[in-house]
Amino acid sequence: GAGVSQSPRYKVAKRGQDVALRCDPISGHVSLFWYQQALGQGPEFLTYFQNEAQLDKSGLPSDRFFAERPEGSVSTLKIQRTQQEDSAVYLCASSLGVSGRTGELFFGEGSRLTVL
Amino acid sequence: AQTVTQSQPEMSVQEAETVTLSCTYDTSESDYYLFWYKQPPSRQMILVIRQEAYKQQNATENRFSVNFQKAAKSFSLKISDSQLGDAAMYFCAYRSDFGGSRLTFGEGTQLTVNP
Repeated sequence: GAGVSQSPRYKVAKRGQDVALRCDPISGHVSLFWYQQALGQGPEFLTYFQNEAQLDKSGLPSDRFFAERPEGSVSTLKIQRTQQEDSAVYLCASSLGVSGRTGELFFGEGSRLTVL
Repeated sequence: AQTVTQSQPEMSVQEAETVTLSCTYDTSESDYYLFWYKQPPSRQMILVIRQEAYKQQNATENRFSVNFQKAAKSFSLKISDSQLGDAAMYFCAYRSDFGGSRLTFGEGTQLTVNP
């Protein structure tokens, strides 16, 4: 497709389960970001990839969160042993370039995770 | 670290009227980019308008314009001739010029458009 695609759109998990969220960025986009958006709040940065390299993971809230982009295109965000506080919308965004100068970010529709 | 503040959690406007959404930010950088994003209930963030800090001229996109005051670190969005489809959550965001820089978002303003 022409846009950023995320799946699943909705995920309900029992506390303690592992989940995997997928992001398919726009073809050729170098930069890929993951954000976490709690209800009624602005998105918070989680991690950044430039091609396959994870250059910034300073926003990951705990070691239960792990992200990868092994071939520089599709990315997966994995959350192990989910907790209720992990309930949020997880947004993926990609951009052609690596900086504000070149990078309009294109967002996916997000994956809404609910942990019971 | 940069911070972005939106002091209006909610705003409302009558259809066809004009509304201004406020945003302030804090940074020590001289080169950066500012954005307004719209997020409808579908959750997808849509870019409304973009401003380069090195440009003095305020950006305009059809009914949307900004008032960029660099010294005051203020970046407000004006929506003219408001339409029902403008109803959404609006986020102000900041991005540095260096490689790998992230977008930093404000808390958002929920805009309601009344018919």
